[in-house]
Amino acid sequence: GQNIDQPTEMTATEGAIVQINCTYQTSGFNGLFWYQQHAGEAPTFLSYNVLDGLEEKGRFSSFLSRSKGYSYLLLKELQMKDSASYLCAVMDSNYQLIWGAGTKLIIKP
Amino acid sequence: GAVVSQHPSRVICKSGTSVKIECRSLDFQATTMFWYRQFPKQSLMLMATSNEGSKATYEQGVEKDKFLINHASLTLSTLTVTSAHPEDSSFYICSARGGMDTEAFFGQGTRLTVV
Repeated sequence: GQNIDQPTEMTATEGAIVQINCTYQTSGFNGLFWYQQHAGEAPTFLSYNVLDGLEEKGRFSSFLSRSKGYSYLLLKELQMKDSASYLCAVMDSNYQLIWGAGTKLIIKP
Repeated sequence: GAVVSQHPSRVICKSGTSVKIECRSLDFQATTMFWYRQFPKQSLMLMATSNEGSKATYEQGVEKDKFLINHASLTLSTLTVTSAHPEDSSFYICSARGGMDTEAFFGQGTRLTVV
C-alpha cells in the first residue's frame, strides 16, 4: 500500500529552527510537495522537490532523498505566524497526490 | 502562484436541501480539479478527481449520486451536495492544476454546516 509518515505534532521556540520529516512508500514517484495549512483555511503551496537535494526558498528549505524515501522541511528564524499544520504529499506514478496526515507545529515565544 | 477561487466560503443549509460549491481557476486552465473534504483536526481526504469534459473519478466510499461533480470548462468545476444531512457538515476544498506534474493550487475552502 501507499503510505506517508510524518510526526503528528512538534513544538519549537520563536526564532529557532525546526525540521519536519516525511517518509514515504508509494507506487512510483513524480515529486514531493509541502503545503502549509493554518487552522480553518485551505492549504497553501510551499515547495516541490523531484530531484535529490536541497531547495531553499527564503526561511523555508525542503530536502529530498529518493533512494531513502525521505524528505524534510526546514523552517528557520521561526515566527509565531508559522504555527500551522505542514502537509507532505507525494505524487505517485499515476500523478495522484498521496497525502500525509500533517504535522501540527506549535511555536512558543 | 496561480489563483483558484472557491465560492461560497461559508454556507448553512437545512437538512434535505442541496448546496452547490464553485471552484474557478482565475489565471490558468485547469485540466484537472480535485475535491477534498476535511474534518476537524484531520488531514485532507480526496473525494474525487475530475478532468475537463469527462466524468469525475470518485474515491472509494464516496457516493457519486450524493456528491455531483461537474467540470464543464477548463476554468470551472462545481460540487453539488444533494439532499444534505448534518453528517455532511465539513470543510470542502477544491484544488486545480494545469498539467500532470505541476503543483496543485487550492481554493479558499467552503465550510458547510447542515442544520
